[in-house]
Amino acid sequence: AQSVSQHNHHVILSEAASLELGCNYSYGGTVNLFWYVQYPGQHLQLLLKYFSGDPLVKGIKGFEAEFIKSKFSFNLRKPSVQWSDTAEYFCAVIHTGGFKTIFGAGTRLFVKA
Amino acid sequence: KAGVTQTPRYLIKTRGQQVTLSCSPISGHRSVSWYQQTPGQGLQFLFEYFSETQRNKGNFPGRFSGRQFSNSRSEMNVSTLELGDSALYLCASSRDTNTEAFFGQGTRLTVV
Repeated sequence: AQSVSQHNHHVILSEAASLELGCNYSYGGTVNLFWYVQYPGQHLQLLLKYFSGDPLVKGIKGFEAEFIKSKFSFNLRKPSVQWSDTAEYFCAVIHTGGFKTIFGAGTRLFVKA
Repeated sequence: KAGVTQTPRYLIKTRGQQVTLSCSPISGHRSVSWYQQTPGQGLQFLFEYFSETQRNKGNFPGRFSGRQFSNSRSEMNVSTLELGDSALYLCASSRDTNTEAFFGQGTRLTVV
């Protein structure tokens, strides 16, 4: 069965620290990849997406992610986090033609001011 | 433009009852997906509809059902509620399933 694994369930960082959240998926075919973010009290929203082309994609608020096909990974990065990045982050994968987006369990990030 | 609207926002039901949740997608979006979100489990896929047809279904018991209307609005129904059905139910709409999804605020269901 298809699955998405997020390696860290909880991450605590100080402001200005660098962030990398891991995401691995199990499907071997063509996939579209997403990172979504849920800020406290808000609905889920798209952070960035990868469909094809340059495997390094840039999203909102200084986030970026790199798709490494050989490793089935799509890790999220940010060079310097801010207190306002405190949120829950979800990696999601859909294989084209599958009509079903699979989400990881999420990573709760807390940034200390 | 208006976002995805889910009603009601909160529900408290008793075990054994049934419940219907509603979702109005963004105008022009024909795909609607439903998810169950619980702490530590992330988002579990329930089903996806496109132009009134269910194209995929998650691993949930038959008590969970849904439908989509010709105006793309969708409803999901849970019959014979169990305590474990307590969760946040999210609806997401997209132009098509392979594109990004736009989420509603969710319906918080509590079964007592």
